[in-house]
Amino acid sequence: GESVGLHLPTLSVQEGDNSIINCAYSNSASDYFIWYKQESGKGPQFIIDIRSNMDKRQGQRVTVLLNKTVKHLSLQIAATQPGDSAVYFCAELGYGQNFVFGPGTRLSVLP
Amino acid sequence: EAQVTQNPRYLITVTGKKLTVTCSQNMNHEYMSWYRQDPGLGLRQIYYSMNVEVTDKGDVPEGYKVSRKEKRNFPLILESPSPNQTSLYFCASSFSLNSPLHFGNGTRLTVT
Repeated sequence: GESVGLHLPTLSVQEGDNSIINCAYSNSASDYFIWYKQESGKGPQFIIDIRSNMDKRQGQRVTVLLNKTVKHLSLQIAATQPGDSAVYFCAELGYGQNFVFGPGTRLSVLP
Repeated sequence: EAQVTQNPRYLITVTGKKLTVTCSQNMNHEYMSWYRQDPGLGLRQIYYSMNVEVTDKGDVPEGYKVSRKEKRNFPLILESPSPNQTSLYFCASSFSLNSPLHFGNGTRLTVT
């Protein structure tokens, strides 16, 4: 498969545990944020998004938390499964700008 | 199926030989964009297009060209590829600038 990052931080979790992946964003004026999942050999896939007028949003097994005070975004995955193994990265968008992507975190799910 | 299709998936070429990577989307999206992904650097934007005949430079446009003659297609052109353009390239599209991007499955380019 394609290597999406040789020097990424890695998070290893036991199958069934919860995972928390963090992202520090750079622009205090950013008002839209997305989490993407990238599996080996594939393009990034949308997971969940959140706008700056919210601080929490839930999807199926995933929750995104936004802390604008410290410019921090997190992705929580409940009951992590082997299929969750991938690289996860955040993207931020400011008004009139294009998306800026974080470098990513590799999630490794241990059996 | 709604998708962004890139071709080819893999390409090996030599320095200076012009090449084109095609990108097509079937979602009637206004916005399209090209990115390159390099280890440790994340996704960096090369060029983007807000609509037909409207294109603009991203963060790393040097050595690349694009065109947007039709809404669905957004080819990436390397007129004279160099080894530093060896990378993994992604095309993406979205309904508008302020909506999620849909990505293709990538093109691995090697320039020797």
